[in-house]
Amino acid sequence: AQSVAQPEDQVNVAEGNPLTVKCTYSVSGNPYLFWYVQYPNRGLQFLLKYITGDNLVKGSYGFEAEFNKSQTSFHLKKPSALVSDSALYFCAVRPEYSGAGSYQLTFGKGTKLSVIP
Amino acid sequence: DTGVSQDPRHKITKRGQNVTFRCDPISEHNRLYWYRQTLGQGPEFLTYFQNEAQLEKSRLLSDRFSAERPKGSFSTLEIQRTEQGDSAMYLCASSHLGALKYNEQFFGPGTRLTVL
Repeated sequence: AQSVAQPEDQVNVAEGNPLTVKCTYSVSGNPYLFWYVQYPNRGLQFLLKYITGDNLVKGSYGFEAEFNKSQTSFHLKKPSALVSDSALYFCAVRPEYSGAGSYQLTFGKGTKLSVIP
Repeated sequence: DTGVSQDPRHKITKRGQNVTFRCDPISEHNRLYWYRQTLGQGPEFLTYFQNEAQLEKSRLLSDRFSAERPKGSFSTLEIQRTEQGDSAMYLCASSHLGALKYNEQFFGPGTRLTVL
């Protein structure tokens, strides 16, 4: 079974500073990794994904994430935080193989990001 | 592209009542998923459909829960004899068969259920 850990319930960062939201995962075989963002009373919005190839993945709104296979991590980053980035961020994983149990996403508990003006 | 829509957005019911939620996926998407999200937690998988076939169900989906996708378009999730523990946000997502391998799922706004 796969799992995701987001070790920080909350991350506070000053506007204009770089931000990092941490994620580690466990999965059989190679992972497909995703980041989603959730604003209050809204559904999840897709930010970016890692499937294969370059370990640095670029996504929406200036976010990027770095895949590290040896550390089983997929940390979300942004060079300069905006107040509007304040939201709940979820990391998710599914295994590369196709078959039973593979299509469902397994999510972490989420990290609340607060960007302070 | 209208995105994934869900109805209702909010539902308050009394314990023991039945409730039904509807999800309309993105029109060309073949796969449809239901997740449940409780406060302070990430979404948890409930079930998914490929066209009209329900291919997987989570152990979270007790006998009181049933989901359908009769014509391979919209889906309904029914909860019978609701319990207070059913209070949660119910999220629907869809994905395109062409992106099958990557499973990029697009989520609706959710239905928030409160059982009194």
